[in-house]
Amino acid sequence: DGGITQSPKYLFRKEGQNVTLSCEQNLNHDAMYWYRQDPGQGLRLIYYSQIVNDFQKGDIAEGYSVSREKKESFPLTVTSAQKNPTAFYLCASRRANYGYTFGSGTRLTVV
Amino acid sequence: GENVEQHPSTLSVQEGDSAVIKCTYSDSASNYFPWYKQELGKRPQLIIDIRSNVGEKKDQRIAVTLNKTAKHFSLHITETQPEDSAVYFCAASGGNAGNMLTFGGGTRLMVKP
Repeated sequence: DGGITQSPKYLFRKEGQNVTLSCEQNLNHDAMYWYRQDPGQGLRLIYYSQIVNDFQKGDIAEGYSVSREKKESFPLTVTSAQKNPTAFYLCASRRANYGYTFGSGTRLTVV
Repeated sequence: GENVEQHPSTLSVQEGDSAVIKCTYSDSASNYFPWYKQELGKRPQLIIDIRSNVGEKKDQRIAVTLNKTAKHFSLHITETQPEDSAVYFCAASGGNAGNMLTFGGGTRLMVKP
């Protein structure tokens, strides 16, 4: 999968439940990103991290949280505060001044 | 910050025809412009990119042109095939947003056999 792995591929969340999406890369990239994609829509930035132990909010950070304890890992937690979490979530990493490498995505559905 | 506009939002062409997708950007300091192809339910894949020191780049049936003065860049696909049907995203980076890619809204290309 091009060095960046997302899991699980499909995830079902009950109302009021927190869930965590995994993103791991072995590309030695410093920067990592989380995007949300709704059906037929573009990519909206949730959070990004340029370096270990540091991360910044994107355009739609409310209801989400992240951590960056290791260079290789950038997990995303969808909290119960996110009222409409059903979407396709994409993780990406980037080597400076080159394009993103995307993971294969996690499809989250509220049941 | 950077703003990237992409047109058209949908494009339908006959197999064998050419397709052109256009993007404009706002930050004159941006210097890297990739294009991604996303098939239904899949992740975006980088198909071609161009840097600000180059005006045009080709890779088989696809090409990208960049006009720094006008702050716009375009994707050209020649001899389109049904497998070219997908959503295409342009992006820009390297300006004030630093290492961040700013994406256009996407173009849904449909190639009719």
